Amino acid sequence: NAGVMQNPRHLVRRRGQEARLRCSPMKGHSHVYWYRQLPEEGLKFMVYLQKENIIDESGMPKERFSAEFPKEGPSILRIQQVVRGDSAAYFCASSPGRATEAFFGQGTRLTVV
Amino acid sequence: QKEVEQNSGPLSVPEGAIASLNCTYSDRGSQSFFWYRQYSGKSPELIMSIYSNGDKEDGRFTAQLNKASQYVSLLIRDSQPSDSATYLCAVKSNFGNEKLTFGTGTRLTIIP
Repeated sequence: NAGVMQNPRHLVRRRGQEARLRCSPMKGHSHVYWYRQLPEEGLKFMVYLQKENIIDESGMPKERFSAEFPKEGPSILRIQQVVRGDSAAYFCASSPGRATEAFFGQGTRLTVV
Repeated sequence: QKEVEQNSGPLSVPEGAIASLNCTYSDRGSQSFFWYRQYSGKSPELIMSIYSNGDKEDGRFTAQLNKASQYVSLLIRDSQPSDSATYLCAVKSNFGNEKLTFGTGTRLTIIP
């Protein structure tokens, strides 16, 4: 049973470009969460999605950031017009249902140059 | 007040001793509690979950929960150098709010 798969593992973007981060949850998991970890800081919640629905986006910046989890395919975290402050590790986690354990993928390290 | 608080450490423990990691949380409605281990440059790895008051043991790990005191802890017995990592406490609020809120983590170093 494959774990949570994230790609790419490393992503370099120039300021102003778009970054697309992908996450495939574990088999049988329908809940996806995105977290951001800045260097030497804790994990900060960004967004919680179920298939085709955004359930909680209280941690998402109001501008430039969006997320989706389509009926088919992986969840996508999209960052438009990236700035240096977006450089961080972005982790995706999945769980099979509510109030259950969540398992993390290996993360995408985004570097904005 | 932070939602989930941990002592950032570093916490140094001799090999073979017991490491004790502590976490407090502010939301009395919290229902689910988790400990993750994160090695430098790696992703968080779930090591324990606990949902009701008392102790829960899994191998060398014991999680303890006291909802009245809003306190959760992790004990690591017979500490090994491979246990050296940052330990993250995470809390899920009342049912309906699935967001995991993390503490900033405690850096643990096991001294051979």
